[in-house]
Amino acid sequence: EPEVTQTPSHQVTQMGQEVILRCVPISNHLYFYWYRQILGQKVEFLVSFYNNEISEKSEIFDDQFSVERPDGSNFTLKIRSTKLEDSAMYFCASLYRGSSYEQYFGPGTRLTVT
Amino acid sequence: SQQGEEDPQALSIQEGENATMNCSYKTSINNLQWYRQNSGRGLVHLILIRSNEREKHSGRLRVTLDTSKKSSSLLITASRAADTASYFCATAFSWANQGGKLIFGQGTELSVKP
Repeated sequence: EPEVTQTPSHQVTQMGQEVILRCVPISNHLYFYWYRQILGQKVEFLVSFYNNEISEKSEIFDDQFSVERPDGSNFTLKIRSTKLEDSAMYFCASLYRGSSYEQYFGPGTRLTVT
Repeated sequence: SQQGEEDPQALSIQEGENATMNCSYKTSINNLQWYRQNSGRGLVHLILIRSNEREKHSGRLRVTLDTSKKSSSLLITASRAADTASYFCATAFSWANQGGKLIFGQGTELSVKP
């Protein structure tokens, strides 16, 4: 069964450094999302992406964040200058919009900012 | 309170018992979904119920939706130790409105003791 993959599974970085989290969505999916989950808290929407542009972003998704689909398969989330509070699990999800709203989630990347 | 609140926050039962989790939300939705998350892992889609549906079944799962009360419940029958996980409800809005993003609740931590 096709699945969403994410790399790396765990990333440790120092405050102020740039990180890029990578996702490979399911190949025929058209909509892509990033969510994050701070330890012990709920999953929060960050951004949605369709047709090579951002469809919607949350208040969390400020100028430090950017997303890109550099080729036909990868979907990346970049954090330009990481802060301690960016430490969280980041999930990528994809959706093939037929009649289904079911999003397929990747296993997540745990980002630790020290 | 926020969109997607669940209760109880934690539930501990014996194997074989039924587990019921509730979710409330505040605004009109297109559908409501339930996801499971094993500790430190990704989100697994369980079931989706549309706003025009009242009840849905999938295996040992039964979901109800009451749009007049803006609430949903997830029932897991004959629970197993392997059902131990966190369960989240997530609401989705119309595509015209908000492009399919999911708003998650705080989750219920279910522990099933053998």
